[in-house]
Amino acid sequence: EVQLVETGGGLVQPGRSLKLSCVASGFTFSSYWMYWIRQAPGKGLEWVSSINTDGGSTYYPDSVKGRFTISRDNAENTVYLQMNSLRSEDTATYYCAKVRRGVMDAWGQGASVTVSS
Amino acid sequence: NIVMTQSPKSMSISVGDRVTMNCKASQNVYNNIAWYQQKPGQSPKLLIYYASNRYNGVPDRFTGSGYGTDFTLTINSVQAEDAAFYYCQRIYNSPYTFGAGTKLELK
Repeated sequence: EVQLVETGGGLVQPGRSLKLSCVASGFTFSSYWMYWIRQAPGKGLEWVSSINTDGGSTYYPDSVKGRFTISRDNAENTVYLQMNSLRSEDTATYYCAKVRRGVMDAWGQGASVTVSS
Repeated sequence: NIVMTQSPKSMSISVGDRVTMNCKASQNVYNNIAWYQQKPGQSPKLLIYYASNRYNGVPDRFTGSGYGTDFTLTINSVQAEDAAFYYCQRIYNSPYTFGAGTKLELK
């Protein structure tokens, strides 16, 4: 059974940093792209970042480019999201997702991030 | 950037009814669309990929159609457990933009 478990969320002040982790199991992690998706309270879904199988290619929307960094450790079956210079508008539940043929076919339960002073 | 526009924003339907919801892309996205279902307090789940392919285990009352800029998700004979938000998403090329969602409520 595919499982994705996000950790590292919490309350952080504006301008500070936070790093999320997502541990994967139940599939060959190194063979799949991974995405991070977020959902602000009461709002819709927003794609946040993507990483290819070996970590050599990463992608971001303009809203987080230059502030967020996605990475992965295939030996540890883990994908990370380093979030710097956090803003109140980054407050959201962050999901990691397994990607097959460009489609997110498995999602974690989410990690809550609140940016507030 | 491509904008995905979903309509209606919400709908209230009776069990057994047929539901159609729409997703319109601001540019041609070919068949590069997925549909996800999100129930309250849960993570999203994949329903349909590449516009019309039903994901493993998805009931056959869910059908996706469309190509280019106009896409539709149809639910035949809606069940109580189908009450949820439904999101379309552009896939295959970034940015992987989502629509704002359609909320399906049961009367």
